[in-house]
Amino acid sequence: GQQLNQSPQSMFIQEGEDVSMNCTSSSIFNTWLWYKQDPGEGPVLLIALYKAGELTSNGRLTAQFGITRKDSFLNISASIPSDVGIYFCAGQLKPLTDKLIFGTGTRLQVFP
Amino acid sequence: KAGVTQTPRYLIKTRGQQVTLSCSPISGHRSVSWYQQTPGQGLQFLFEYFSETQRNKGNFPGRFSGRQFSNSRSEMNVSTLELGDSALYLCASSLEGLALYNEQFFGPGTRLTVL
Repeated sequence: GQQLNQSPQSMFIQEGEDVSMNCTSSSIFNTWLWYKQDPGEGPVLLIALYKAGELTSNGRLTAQFGITRKDSFLNISASIPSDVGIYFCAGQLKPLTDKLIFGTGTRLQVFP
Repeated sequence: KAGVTQTPRYLIKTRGQQVTLSCSPISGHRSVSWYQQTPGQGLQFLFEYFSETQRNKGNFPGRFSGRQFSNSRSEMNVSTLELGDSALYLCASSLEGLALYNEQFFGPGTRLTVL
């Protein structure tokens, strides 16, 4: 099936460090989303982006909708142990009713 | 209010069997989507149901089917199970509205193991 290219695949960082991950696509998306999945749980929406160039924050998380509409970035500042999990980007080609296409995920491990 | 619930949480089947998974959306949500999550392929969209009708479909074989009931509860069925069907099956519900994006709320998933 169709997937977005997400990198890096995994990250091992020390508590307090900043984290960056990104997602790219060959298709233009109208909506970009970032999810986090904890072990044994379903993904939870962190940030939703609707316009090219849009920069949105949610606490220590900041995400951007790329100008070309083919990429998106997520930054986590001052990481803490509870940031551990798998982060997924997802895109929607058409608004409202189109299916979501997910990235392959970035597994984040934070060491104290 | 209660979140998305999925039953059962864990399931073990053998090749050739069939399985039915159940999803109860958040109260008031009319859209239910199903995803297959595997370590190698990530999250793959199976299908979406809205008001008892399939609205979107992913690229899965016909062995994968679903339905939605009038109370928005949904089931998905996999027939003639194969080893490669072992995965976490996630259900997500959303409230249809006029927002730019109808946020999908995910359930905890059903872990299916095919032996």
